[in-house]
Amino acid sequence: RKEVEQDPGPFNVPEGATVAFNCTYSNSASQSFFWYRQDCRKEPKLLMSVYSSGNEDGRFTAQLNRASQYISLLIRDSKLSDSATYLCVVINNDMRFGAGTRLTVKP
Amino acid sequence: DVKVTQSSRYLVKRTGEKVFLECVQDMDHENMFWYRQDPGLGLRLIYFSYDVKMKEKGDIPEGYSVSREKKERFSLILESASTNQTSMYLCASSSLTGAHSPLHFGNGTRLTVT
Repeated sequence: RKEVEQDPGPFNVPEGATVAFNCTYSNSASQSFFWYRQDCRKEPKLLMSVYSSGNEDGRFTAQLNRASQYISLLIRDSKLSDSATYLCVVINNDMRFGAGTRLTVKP
Repeated sequence: DVKVTQSSRYLVKRTGEKVFLECVQDMDHENMFWYRQDPGLGLRLIYFSYDVKMKEKGDIPEGYSVSREKKERFSLILESASTNQTSMYLCASSSLTGAHSPLHFGNGTRLTVT
């Protein structure tokens, strides 16, 4: 089993839709969690940290479920510019990346 | 803003060549990392460094070495390039303070080995 797993997608959604991705992790001792966004042929960029109590940044909401060992990212009112690959990162003593979930938002 | 600069955006090398990929960061970060990214496999850690002259193997160090002579610079070396090292290489840095601080990436080097 991979340490960090994501559904690769692609998720194809219309503008304005709400879409959610999950990322499961195998190490219950993992301590920190992040979501990154990566545009085609570009480097990953930090989207948001994931806090235990859940956190929101505009249209984006991140949640952590320690009991089930997954994190989630919810995007509301999706825009064309949200089209990208979303990578989850799980940290214990090192950083583990998921392979990414590809999102395409269509007009 | 943190700036992580990789010396080349695209590189084409021949099998057997020695290849140097350079990475410089300007934020006095202690930690630096080299990843490769391949379709379907995500980012895989090659080597990382927590301090000058210090290096640790990541998940896939075979065929690679690194050098960290100065805090701001972390070099990845392919001693004898092979076609299976064709990939996107990403350098990243992070601060030691506030444990587990996020990574800041360079814009990547797309290496093709022919």
